[in-house]
Amino acid sequence: QQQVKQSPQSLIVQKGGISIINCAYENTAFDYFPWYQQFPGKGPALLIAIRPDVSEKKEGRFTISFNKSAKQFSLHIMDSQPGDSATYFCAARPNNDMRFGAGTRLTVKP
Amino acid sequence: GAVVSQHPSWVICKSGTSVKIECRSLDFQATTMFWYRQFPKQSLMLMATSNEGSKATYEQGVEKDKFLINHASLTLSTLTVTSAHPEDSSFYICSAKTGTIYEQYFGPGTRLTVT
Repeated sequence: QQQVKQSPQSLIVQKGGISIINCAYENTAFDYFPWYQQFPGKGPALLIAIRPDVSEKKEGRFTISFNKSAKQFSLHIMDSQPGDSATYFCAARPNNDMRFGAGTRLTVKP
Repeated sequence: GAVVSQHPSWVICKSGTSVKIECRSLDFQATTMFWYRQFPKQSLMLMATSNEGSKATYEQGVEKDKFLINHASLTLSTLTVTSAHPEDSSFYICSAKTGTIYEQYFGPGTRLTVT
């Protein structure tokens, strides 16, 4: 079922640093690319999303970069904070449902 | 806005019994609801998609007779795990969307433990 490949599996960043998580996909029918943040024991929460007709979208400290020709997209978290420590999932929408990446466990050290 | 709730948040049941999990959209009409399963430190795996008033569409490998899904109204979907076994222990998460918008809104999840 995994149609979206996500890396790295885990990431440790110092407070104030930039966290970068990458995803790649194969299916050109995907038309919506969200990122979710999940804390332990909680459901995923939508962080930011992008459509393929846009190459970059920024919301606060979170930026998605999208490369349609390479079929890759990435999440950048600027000025990472300990409160950002969570698991991040990229996803892609082929039709009505959502396909998730394997997840990246981010730890931001104070 | 766009709040999805689940009940219960956690449940423990004995092997062989059935358990029902509810998913509600609190402030919007959910024309489509999704059920996911998540094992520890793993990603979300889609189990089934249901449209209000229609039969659910199950993903390959998901037993529809074991995981009964009912989407009887625009605000409520239920997942019943029948004859539960320890291997069914997992974190079950629902999500909901309305109309043709892209965003799915996720519930807080239900932790099922089968003893």
